[in-house]
Amino acid sequence: GENVEQHPSTLSVQEGDSAVIKCTYSDSASNYFPWYKQELGKRPQLIIDIRSNVGEKKDQRIAVTLNKTAKHFSLHITETQPEDSAVYFCAAGGSNYKLTFGKGTLLTVNP
Amino acid sequence: DAGVIQSPRHEVTEMGQEVTLRCKPISGHNSLFWYRQTMMRGLELLIYFNNNVPIDDSGMPEDRFSAKMPNASFSTLKIQPSEPRDSAVYFCASSLGGIGNEKLFFGSGTQLSVL
Repeated sequence: GENVEQHPSTLSVQEGDSAVIKCTYSDSASNYFPWYKQELGKRPQLIIDIRSNVGEKKDQRIAVTLNKTAKHFSLHITETQPEDSAVYFCAAGGSNYKLTFGKGTLLTVNP
Repeated sequence: DAGVIQSPRHEVTEMGQEVTLRCKPISGHNSLFWYRQTMMRGLELLIYFNNNVPIDDSGMPEDRFSAKMPNASFSTLKIQPSEPRDSAVYFCASSLGGIGNEKLFFGSGTQLSVL
């Protein structure tokens, strides 16, 4: 089955800096790569996703890049703000009903 | 729509007791998923229903866990008997389709503590 590795497990940045979270996956059949944000005590919520026919996607301060050859994808957050502090999960899926999640990255943005 | 609704939000029980978690998916969504979240293992898929039919329960830890979806608007996850290692946050999620490449809508989760 699919295996998703996510790094780093924790990330601390200063407000205004950029943050990058990286994920690798194992199943070459995967074609859907979403990112979820989970604030403390809350539910995971989709913030951005990318499909395998696209190499990059942006939504304001958030961008995701995908390298299908290397089987890795990354989340980029620019001009970080304290409200960006949360746990971020990457996931891979699409070949069937399953989404396999990474273990998560705790992002802390220091004012 | 109120989103995916789970109950209870918190459950504290003693080892050996039966626990029932409830979920109401978003109306019109055909797929329902139960996930378990722990620090050690992250988000694990327990079971997946499509059109009320269990498609894959390979993630269910053992026979103590069971799940049902009697109709399109209700699902339960039952643990009997419960054990301390079952302590976790259990999320229910639904999606419009069932082909694994659509947005998942998560409920607020049930924080389960088994003493």
